[in-house]
Amino acid sequence: SQTIHQWPATLVQPVGSPLSLECTVEGTSNPNLYWYRQAAGRGLQLLFYSVGIGQISSEVPQNLSASRPQDRQFILSSKKLLLSDSGFYLCAWNIPGNTIYFGEGSWLTVV
Amino acid sequence: QKEVEQNSGPLSVPEGAIASLNCTYSDRVSQSFFWYRQYSGKSPELIMSIYSNGDKEDGRFTAQLNKASQYVSLLIRDSQPSDSATYLCAAGGGADGLTFGKGTHLIIQP
Repeated sequence: SQTIHQWPATLVQPVGSPLSLECTVEGTSNPNLYWYRQAAGRGLQLLFYSVGIGQISSEVPQNLSASRPQDRQFILSSKKLLLSDSGFYLCAWNIPGNTIYFGEGSWLTVV
Repeated sequence: QKEVEQNSGPLSVPEGAIASLNCTYSDRVSQSFFWYRQYSGKSPELIMSIYSNGDKEDGRFTAQLNKASQYVSLLIRDSQPSDSATYLCAAGGGADGLTFGKGTHLIIQP
């Protein structure tokens, strides 16, 4: 069966510090991969998606970037965090056209 | 811009009653529709998926889709306190993933 893992689960980072969130999927090949953010009082916002290694699409202009160095690995990064980057970050995957499954999520607090 | 609209609630329902959750979507080309349940502080988990007009039943849950009206609903029969959560409606079908509503907060009163 397929599983998705993301880490770290929680982190508190100062403004201006870098960020790296990592996600891996097991049990499937060539999945679509996604990064969503859920800020307080707001819905799930799609940040990035990837249909293959090295292929990244960004949905919104922002202070973040994403990379897909391997088929089942997706990384969310920032060089300098802003207060507004705080939120609940969710990695997700699917086989094209099918249900999206989420990882456990990463709580980021920028202070 | 693709949008999914839901009433944020809270929606309060007595235990054992039917909870009715609704959403509308803006993108007519959407082919796939989903309901996710999200407990506070946790990631969303899939409850139901529906792809064609009509009703789809799974246990105590029934999803309804009306593409002409761009309307999706979820009925929860015999509501239990453990059903208390935020329910997210989502629409999509392309490689760019799903568009989510902001969710409806459901409270089941014992």
